[in-house]
Amino acid sequence: DAGVIQSPRHEVTEMGQEVTLRCKPISGHNSLFWYRQTMMRGLELLIYFNNNVPIDDSGMPEDRFSAKMPNASFSTLKIQPSEPRDSAVYFCASSFQGGGGTEAFFGQGTRLTVV
Amino acid sequence: SQKIEQNSEALNIQEGKTATLTCNYTNYSPAYLQWYRQDPGRGPVFLLLIRENEKEKRKERLKVTFDTTLKQSLFHITASQPADSATYLCALGGVNSGYSTLTFGKGTMLLVSP
Repeated sequence: DAGVIQSPRHEVTEMGQEVTLRCKPISGHNSLFWYRQTMMRGLELLIYFNNNVPIDDSGMPEDRFSAKMPNASFSTLKIQPSEPRDSAVYFCASSFQGGGGTEAFFGQGTRLTVV
Repeated sequence: SQKIEQNSEALNIQEGKTATLTCNYTNYSPAYLQWYRQDPGRGPVFLLLIRENEKEKRKERLKVTFDTTLKQSLFHITASQPADSATYLCALGGVNSGYSTLTFGKGTMLLVSP
């Protein structure tokens, strides 16, 4: 397996534009997580899915953020409209949850810059 | 509120020495704790997991301890090498409504000089 695949690797966009980040989890994994990483706040959990169903989105900063997982092999994180403070590295991670405590596999991340 | 503390200052050591990184937490009762390595421009990579009923775990040159009384985990790299230079993140795991999630510390950068 190629691991968790994210696209694009880098995104530069103007304030107010819509941004869509994409993630393909590892085949067979049943949980998917979206994280955001900044120097100030570290790695923050935004939302996680189990069996394609959103379980907890309490980490989503505001209504401008939305995430979907239409099937087991694809997820998107959308920001509309984007703002400069959204600039960060966004990571997608997947794992197989069968009893708790399993490792998470991270993608390479998408570096988002909003100007 | 829940808090995870890792030393924000980089740890500089010489090759061959043992590196010891600290993870302290408050207002948290994790079921398990994990350590990850992150290189610049890359995603975190899992290293070790230790459960609340375990005191110590080893994997090759790595050793993790977990003291739920002190609310602290120590991460050791013995015989360190320049290739061990990276940022190391601790992550506390909890089970909420049957689902496991991870909360990460900000990480400590380790620099191993030849």
